[in-house]
Amino acid sequence: LAKTTQPISMDSYEGQEVNITCSHNNIATNDYITWYQQFPSQGPRFIIQGYKTKVTNEVASLFIPADRKSSTLSLPRVSLSDTAVYYCLVGDISGGSYIPTFGRGTSLIVHP
Amino acid sequence: EAGVTQSPTHLIKTRGQQATLRCSPISGHTSVYWYQQALGLGLQFLLWYDEGEERNRGNFPPRFSGRQFPNYSSELNVNALELEDSALYLCASSEILETGRFFSGNTIYFGEGSWLTVV
Repeated sequence: LAKTTQPISMDSYEGQEVNITCSHNNIATNDYITWYQQFPSQGPRFIIQGYKTKVTNEVASLFIPADRKSSTLSLPRVSLSDTAVYYCLVGDISGGSYIPTFGRGTSLIVHP
Repeated sequence: EAGVTQSPTHLIKTRGQQATLRCSPISGHTSVYWYQQALGLGLQFLLWYDEGEERNRGNFPPRFSGRQFPNYSSELNVNALELEDSALYLCASSEILETGRFFSGNTIYFGEGSWLTVV
């Protein structure tokens, strides 16, 4: 099972870089890692996806080491509006097939 | 391009009643996923539909059921509602690499959810 483990919560301040790590020790060979952001009472929003090494888009970077057993979401210069819960997603085997399974998420609080 | 749309936004039901929630996937997406998110908790996988077939279901009782229509929209039904069914129900959709086989490289996109309150 590609169960994911993330810190429950993190605190940061405006303007700082935030790195959130997700462990997925049993990730499958063909599995991608996807990160989502969720605000209260809203659906999760796609942030970034990667398979290996580094991926960067306009809002975040994703670092994946060679063994792919973990991944780190990097948010540059966070603002108050980045306060949200962040989830990493990998596939997981259930009932004989892979399904998208979310971990418990990391609650990020950005302080002024 | 329209995203995943869900209806209703809010629904209040009495214990023992039935609730029906609806979802329209992104155009071109054939897979629909349903998740339950109780207040303050994570996303619990409920059901996965692809090409009109139920492909997988999470650890939920049979009173949680659904279906996918020929246009790939989907419906989630919850029978004999219990107080603990109160939650945000999220629908997501994705393309699929191979019919009936989930591939995590196909990004799943979520709707804004339907709040179900059971009183």
